[in-house]
Amino acid sequence: DTEVTQTPKHLVMGMTNKKSLKCEQHMGHRAMYWYKQKAKKPPELMFVYSYEKLSINESVPSRFSPECPNSSLLNLHLHALQPEDSALYLCASSHDTDTQYFGPGTRLTVL
Amino acid sequence: AQSVTQLGSHVSVSEGALVLLRCNYSSSVPPYLFWYVQYPNQGLQLLLKYTSAATLVKGINGFEAEFKKSETSFHLTKPSAHMSDAAEYFCAAIKAAGNKLTFGGGTRVLVKP
Repeated sequence: DTEVTQTPKHLVMGMTNKKSLKCEQHMGHRAMYWYKQKAKKPPELMFVYSYEKLSINESVPSRFSPECPNSSLLNLHLHALQPEDSALYLCASSHDTDTQYFGPGTRLTVL
Repeated sequence: AQSVTQLGSHVSVSEGALVLLRCNYSSSVPPYLFWYVQYPNQGLQLLLKYTSAATLVKGINGFEAEFKKSETSFHLTKPSAHMSDAAEYFCAAIKAAGNKLTFGGGTRVLVKP
């Protein structure tokens, strides 16, 4: 099973709202990732967690706050977002540094 | 720094014709290489990967790719296109023991009946 699940599938939020995106995998993978993908572009790496510790932050604005409660879960907390943050947010996981498996994504719209 | 280049942002093929998507990487050390497919409003699905074993890699849905170190290439092919192959395809590379995927710009495939 190579499934990564993400909820919600779609999210619409105002610029003053606080919301969270969730990602889950049960493959025993120890690395988890958040990517942002704009239309007609490749995914851009945001954060990497390795063994539940944040290992890479690609200079992401603080209005995005990642959290890894345990080895199977990854959250992305959103606060005071801007309309330009509207995008498809993808979660991925991998066994250490091997192949990354992606979830279906959350389509985020910021009004 | 590592980079991945996909030649052609759009490719149009007839149903039943050969699909050829080009990918070149720049790295002094051959990286691990991947092809992913993305259907509209979906995540990325792994098609195949090269991790320094066989240079000809077979993947899902009839796709295969050949790693050529001398040409720093990892082109993706499928002998006969199907309408369901219409999607965005991304080539990606990662250093061995690294976890930062570098993506190419993507190639959108259109399949004509």
